[in-house]
Amino acid sequence: DQQVKQNSPSLSVQEGRISILNCDYTNSMFDYFLWYKKYPAEGPTFLISISSIKDKNEDGRFTVFLNKSAKHLSLHIVPSQPGDSAVYFCAAGSSSNTGKLIFGQGTTLQVKP
Amino acid sequence: DTEVTQTPKHLVMGMTNKKSLKCEQHMGHRAMYWYKQKAKKPPELMFVYSYEKLSINESVPSRFSPECPNSSLLNLHLHALQPEDSALYLCASSQSSRRTEQFFGPGTRLTVL
Repeated sequence: DQQVKQNSPSLSVQEGRISILNCDYTNSMFDYFLWYKKYPAEGPTFLISISSIKDKNEDGRFTVFLNKSAKHLSLHIVPSQPGDSAVYFCAAGSSSNTGKLIFGQGTTLQVKP
Repeated sequence: DTEVTQTPKHLVMGMTNKKSLKCEQHMGHRAMYWYKQKAKKPPELMFVYSYEKLSINESVPSRFSPECPNSSLLNLHLHALQPEDSALYLCASSQSSRRTEQFFGPGTRLTVL
């Protein structure tokens, strides 16, 4: 049972445009969410997080939106740059299950120059 | 210092060997984690240490034995592994195990022959 889903395995975007990566979850107990970027042969790099008490969090070019009623979150990257090309994982955690993050399957983003 | 370091970067071992993976962080984090990642899959949690005590074991086979000698170090002892254990092993740390971002090391690429 996949509790965190990223339904788009890949996404291709032109440089300078917006990239939107989506993530859905099923477990209502999740109360914080994170996005990670991963290059091949490297560990995941933390990008941005959001608590369930918020619906938006912004950090530079990265904005995460959370829609609790739809159990959906998205990561917006504006403007997209070729260096953003990587695999993006969303992850979810619950304060009642401390330390355990559940990751989605990942979305490969390609930003074309 | 916001870095998690892991050694070795690559490891090849036979099924009868005993080896250890090492992880170190100097961010003052009190929670440390071991994950396993197979190709084109998300990271899967193996163990969580909180304040140097094992708090989560995700039903990992006993051929994997974690150890937390102090708050900065985390080891994973390997013995009698199987070829299907070949994967990228990732270490992560966070300020605490409650709702905080986890920062990952670069991983150890393990091949079991």
